[in-house]
Amino acid sequence: DTGVSQDPRHKITKRGQNVTFRCDPISEHNRLYWYRQTLGQGPEFLTYFQNEAQLEKSRLLSDRFSAERPKGSFSTLEIQRTEQGDSAMYLCASSLVWAGNTIYFGEGSWLTVV
Amino acid sequence: AQRVTQPEKLLSVFKGAPVELKCNYSYSGSPELFWYVQYSRQRLQLLLRHISRESIKGFTADLNKGETSFHLKKPFAQEEDSAMYYCALKDQGGSEKLVFGKGTKLTVNP
Repeated sequence: DTGVSQDPRHKITKRGQNVTFRCDPISEHNRLYWYRQTLGQGPEFLTYFQNEAQLEKSRLLSDRFSAERPKGSFSTLEIQRTEQGDSAMYLCASSLVWAGNTIYFGEGSWLTVV
Repeated sequence: AQRVTQPEKLLSVFKGAPVELKCNYSYSGSPELFWYVQYSRQRLQLLLRHISRESIKGFTADLNKGETSFHLKKPFAQEEDSAMYYCALKDQGGSEKLVFGKGTKLTVNP
C-alpha cells in the first residue's frame, strides 16, 4: 500500500505523558495535513504544511501540541502532558498541489489517554 | 464562521431505492464543497467535489447557493454504498482547512 502511512495505529497512554505520532505522506506530495476526529464527529483541522513550512494552525492546536515536517517529507505530531480530552483519532493526509490537490487520508492513529 | 450541517446521523434505505444525503452549510464567502466517504475498515476518501460537476459511483451533488445546500443523491442505491458519508467545505480564496460535518451513516438493506 503506497498511501499515507501513520504510526503507531493505536496508543494508550497515561495522563500527563507525552506522545508522538508519525505520518509518512504519499511520495512527492508537497502538502501534509493533520486532523483530529472524536467519536460521533467529523474530522477537525489541526494544521497543514507545504513542504517544510507550517502554513496554517487551528486554535485547536494548543501549546501542548506541536507538529513538524523537518525535511518536507514525513511529519510528527507531538502532544505533551496529555489530557483525557486528547483521546481521539489523529488523521494525517497529504496532497499534491498541482495535481488537483486531492487530499488522501491515512488510516489514523487512535489515542486513548487513561 | 464556517459550519457544515448534516441533519441525519443515520439513513437507511432499501436496495434500488433513491437516496439523498443532506448537507447544509453556513459560509459567507465562496466555498468549495466536497463529499467524502468512509467504507467499513477503510480510510476516508474523496467521493466528489462540486467544482468537478462529475458523477462518481452514480452519485451526484449540486451546489445550491440560494439554499446553501450540497445534497448527495443517487437514484438507485446499492448495498456497497453502505458507508459513512461526510460533507466538507473549504474556503476557495484562502485557508486550506476543510470543515467537516458530523457525517451520515448510510445503510442500504437488501
